[in-house]
Amino acid sequence: QQQVKQSPQSLIVQKGGISIINCAYENTAFDYFPWYQQFPGKGPALLIAIRPDVSEKKEGRFTISFNKSAKQFSLHIMDSQPGDSATYFCAASKGGSTLGRLYFGRGTQLTVWP
Amino acid sequence: DAGVIQSPRHEVTEMGQEVTLRCKPISGHDYLFWYRQTMMRGLELLIYFNNNVPIDDSGMPEDRFSAKMPNASFSTLKIQPSEPRDSAVYFCASSGQGSRAFFGQGTRLTVV
Repeated sequence: QQQVKQSPQSLIVQKGGISIINCAYENTAFDYFPWYQQFPGKGPALLIAIRPDVSEKKEGRFTISFNKSAKQFSLHIMDSQPGDSATYFCAASKGGSTLGRLYFGRGTQLTVWP
Repeated sequence: DAGVIQSPRHEVTEMGQEVTLRCKPISGHDYLFWYRQTMMRGLELLIYFNNNVPIDDSGMPEDRFSAKMPNASFSTLKIQPSEPRDSAVYFCASSGQGSRAFFGQGTRLTVV
């Protein structure tokens, strides 16, 4: 059973556009929601993360929006660049910590055309 | 720190052979995770350790898979005997108190 559901599976965006990736979860015990970025041949790397006590977190061009009541969260990439082309994974964990088991979404392959 | 180090980067083996994947976590990290990544199933947690002790191995697919962490700086994931459906990229990750999980570069396993 997939604990975290992610969509879309793939996304093509023009350079300068906004990329939006959505995730949903069911387990209300989750309290840490990171996004990971993975380039071909590399391991996933933490991009940005949010806890449910805030509705939005922004770091540069990357923003997480979090809707606790809907149990959904999304990643917005503003002014998308070709260098952002990668696979993005949302994840969730419980225990109020950066430690412990991460439940990953299936991933979104983002392609940004120049 | 060099990050999480995995070896080998690539492994091609014949069905039925034993395969051992190795991981050196970041020094000072007390959590170590083994993940498997496939197109069909995405990133799956196989097992994780805390202070060298296995905490959750419910993701280990079957008895052919085993993992050990004999000390804080080394872990192995062994598949015996290997099967073609074990072909995947295997990632090791580590984390410590207050730190996020850092992933290694992965081992691409092909079983023919």
